[in-house]
Amino acid sequence: QQQVKQSPQSLIVQKGGISIINCAYENTAFDYFPWYQQFPGKGPALLIAIRPDVSEKKEGRFTISFNKSAKQFSLHIMDSQPGDSATYFCAAAIRGATNKLIFGTGTLLAVQP
Amino acid sequence: DSGVTQTPKHLITATGQRVTLRCSPRSGDLSVYWYQQSLDQGLQFLIQYYNGEERAKGNILERFSAQQFPDLHSELNLSSLELGDSALYFCASSVGGTGGAWARETQYFGPGTRLLVL
Repeated sequence: QQQVKQSPQSLIVQKGGISIINCAYENTAFDYFPWYQQFPGKGPALLIAIRPDVSEKKEGRFTISFNKSAKQFSLHIMDSQPGDSATYFCAAAIRGATNKLIFGTGTLLAVQP
Repeated sequence: DSGVTQTPKHLITATGQRVTLRCSPRSGDLSVYWYQQSLDQGLQFLIQYYNGEERAKGNILERFSAQQFPDLHSELNLSSLELGDSALYFCASSVGGTGGAWARETQYFGPGTRLLVL
């Protein structure tokens, strides 16, 4: 119930291509879905986040698509660049007494020049 | 730079020992969260403090404890260390942490402390 399943585990994309990472959850009480980007040796950094009352959110080259009925959400990186090479984590939280983040297992993205 | 600071950056110790990890949240943030990142368990929530009080507990071992001080910095104490405790430990902070507007709940992560237990 508290898990967030993320796929794929790793992804190789050519420069200029679209990177797509998918996540699924079971707990319908989740009401906040952020994506974090982590470079080696660094802490996770918030990339973009969405609430379940919207189906899509776009910030620059990054887009979150959210399907409430399917309990799935995905990150799309348009025009992928070598500088996007990092590990991406989806997460979910329940706004309430605490907003602890439940993280997916991560996707290692490599964008080839 | 997220504005969250953690010390030390690296820590090497032996099994059975005790260590203290320190976190200073962003200026104005009242909540501090601790997460453990390991290869087999991924990123796991450990514990949250809000304005000095424990707010939520996750998969935190009884050998681990934490506290948040009046100046809002936090310490994570790990005792009777085992080889399996080797991991990256991250601290995050947010303005809120009690179910307010999401802009106040966004968590900003520090650079982490890498703990190696030999």
